[in-house]
Amino acid sequence: QTVVTQEPALSVSPGGTVTLTCGLSSDSVSTSHHPSWYQQTPGQAPRTLIYNTNSRSSGVPDRFSGSILGNKAAVTITGAQADDESVYYCLLYMGSGIWVFGGGTKLTVL
Amino acid sequence: QVQLVESGGGVVQPGRSLRLSCAASGFTFSINGMHWVRQAPGKGLEWVALIWYDGSKQYYADSVKGRFTISRDNSKNTLYLQMNSLRAEDTAVYFCARINNWWIDYWGQGTLVTVSS
Repeated sequence: QTVVTQEPALSVSPGGTVTLTCGLSSDSVSTSHHPSWYQQTPGQAPRTLIYNTNSRSSGVPDRFSGSILGNKAAVTITGAQADDESVYYCLLYMGSGIWVFGGGTKLTVL
Repeated sequence: QVQLVESGGGVVQPGRSLRLSCAASGFTFSINGMHWVRQAPGKGLEWVALIWYDGSKQYYADSVKGRFTISRDNSKNTLYLQMNSLRAEDTAVYFCARINNWWIDYWGQGTLVTVSS
């Protein structure tokens, strides 16, 4: 069974930089997994942040950037703000019509 | 603007069935694939099922395969999720979501399904 791994929790200071990663338990993440990233605050539907590894969704500030770092997908927040405090999920396409979400990273800005 | 509105959630006993609907508007429904994604209380997102734009192919997570059926009626701009043999672990908010190539670009607000006796 494929497991998509994310850091359970991270923290960043206001104005600081933080990188969240998305890996696979038994493989490397590549662009062929079409990694995408979603932000969710409590009680709300997720919001699409990054798609196709490194493209920002409409209206997403440019302090969010996506990439492949080593064998993982990553999203970097440069100049973190208080309202970036959320849970972030990655989504990978595993082939044969199957998608898998990561477990999510709870980001605290303090 | 794109709108996805789920309905059909509620409280259901274990072993029973429920059908969720997702009414789509603001775009040409028949040209986009659609997902169902769920989120158990206090837990992360879980991909549930995908249907192609024309309904010709469906894919399921192992956790629901054989029990859930995703379908669509493009004439009614509506996506469905038929859930049979429900279990306590199916308790979750169910979101419908629009596919844009390889990612989700729009989400509904979700409908809560509670499986409890």
